[in-house]
Amino acid sequence: SSELTQDPAVSVALGQTVRITCQGDSLRSYYASWYQQKPGQAPVLVIFGKNSRPSGIPDRFSGSSSGNTASLTITGAQAEDEADYYCNSRDSSGNPHVVFGGGTKLTVL
Amino acid sequence: EVQLVESGGGLVQPGRSLRLSCAASGFTFDDYAMHWVRQAPGKGLEWVSGISWNSGSVGYADSVKGRFTISRDSAKNSLYLQMNSLRAEDTALYYCAKDIRSGWSQEFDYWGQGTLVTVSS
Repeated sequence: SSELTQDPAVSVALGQTVRITCQGDSLRSYYASWYQQKPGQAPVLVIFGKNSRPSGIPDRFSGSSSGNTASLTITGAQAEDEADYYCNSRDSSGNPHVVFGGGTKLTVL
Repeated sequence: EVQLVESGGGLVQPGRSLRLSCAASGFTFDDYAMHWVRQAPGKGLEWVSGISWNSGSVGYADSVKGRFTISRDSAKNSLYLQMNSLRAEDTALYYCAKDIRSGWSQEFDYWGQGTLVTVSS
């Protein structure tokens, strides 16, 4: 099955822009979705499709994709954005199978 | 308001079985695919299984294939996960998640709070 690779940890200064990446062969065929998870809480969908945000997600969150790499960008990071971020995608085989990346711990300094 | 409430977790011995349930409300259950996602203590998210709106398409992670069975009951607005031959590595918080589509996607827009499964002798 497919694999998605994320950097384990990323940091950003308060108010600055940060990009979190996700790499995998399946991303050549399928969009990644992005989830935010804070300690002790369930994941929250923040980006899906080409670059769509569910209602209630601030517009400082955006998504993009190129080749085998998907990116989540936070423009003007806030203290409350400190969390774990996970990407996921369909399996590149087209089978009914979903894979998650290992997650990125975002620290806002 | 969409709500997903998992139940059925607990402490179980290796090799035994457990059935998880997820009660859904606040949306038309029959219209959406549903998934189970787990998270071992201190680890990342792992997709476990998914089922399309009409149960016509199901899928499993390689780690649980042949041991776990996903199902849904539209009359009860509920999703289930039958887990057999449990192993220590199945220990995790199990989340129920709603797909944004009726068929398959990787876009899960609502999640429950999870039910903890601990496999230990």
